[in-house]
Amino acid sequence: ETGVTQTPRHLVMGMTNKKSLKCEQHLGHNAMYWYKQSAKKPLELMFVYNFKEQTENNSVPSRFSPECPNSSHLFLHLHTLQPEDSALYLCASQRGVGGLYNEQFFGPGTRLTVL
Amino acid sequence: TQLLEQSPQFLSIQEGENLTVYCNSSSVFSSLQWYRQEPGEGPVLLVTVVTGGEVKKLKRLTFQFGDARKDSSLHITAAQPGDTGLYLCAGEGAQKLVFGQGTRLTINP
Repeated sequence: ETGVTQTPRHLVMGMTNKKSLKCEQHLGHNAMYWYKQSAKKPLELMFVYNFKEQTENNSVPSRFSPECPNSSHLFLHLHTLQPEDSALYLCASQRGVGGLYNEQFFGPGTRLTVL
Repeated sequence: TQLLEQSPQFLSIQEGENLTVYCNSSSVFSSLQWYRQEPGEGPVLLVTVVTGGEVKKLKRLTFQFGDARKDSSLHITAAQPGDTGLYLCAGEGAQKLVFGQGTRLTINP
């Protein structure tokens, strides 16, 4: 248990579907992250939120839409995805951006398959 | 662009053997972290090294940060099947982490 939960753990969707991934952290952290993990590639940072404000969008296509209603919750809304978007989507939290040691705590991930 | 190269990418050894995983970059990082990820789970932080030349030990795992803070190594002594997993190094730069591609380690009984 890392203190970061993600739902659903597995998701299969068609290219025309709309779905959302949810992340919740119980650590009192102020920064939250979305990463994409594909086979044979390094973890790719997608979005960063610090105190509910988006501070980084790493050139992510608009078919991925993040939402951070408060410091404990983070969503990733998905629509008209492509098969190459199939991957493990990881959420992480951190005490704050720009702190002394940026140690991140990860959730278990959502395994997404786009048909 | 800061990059971290991990080697080897895959390693399969017998229980009881020793091994070393390397994490190299041409960039300087203010700190470097090692994570282990098991199947179906997210990465879990093992250690953070901060000072050039720093060595940290976690039971049978020894982590070293290079003098110039550009590289790091993870040495495992007497590997056990429970050490199996994906090992990721991550360098702290520009207020975000840069991850290596990982080393997939398999320890055979």
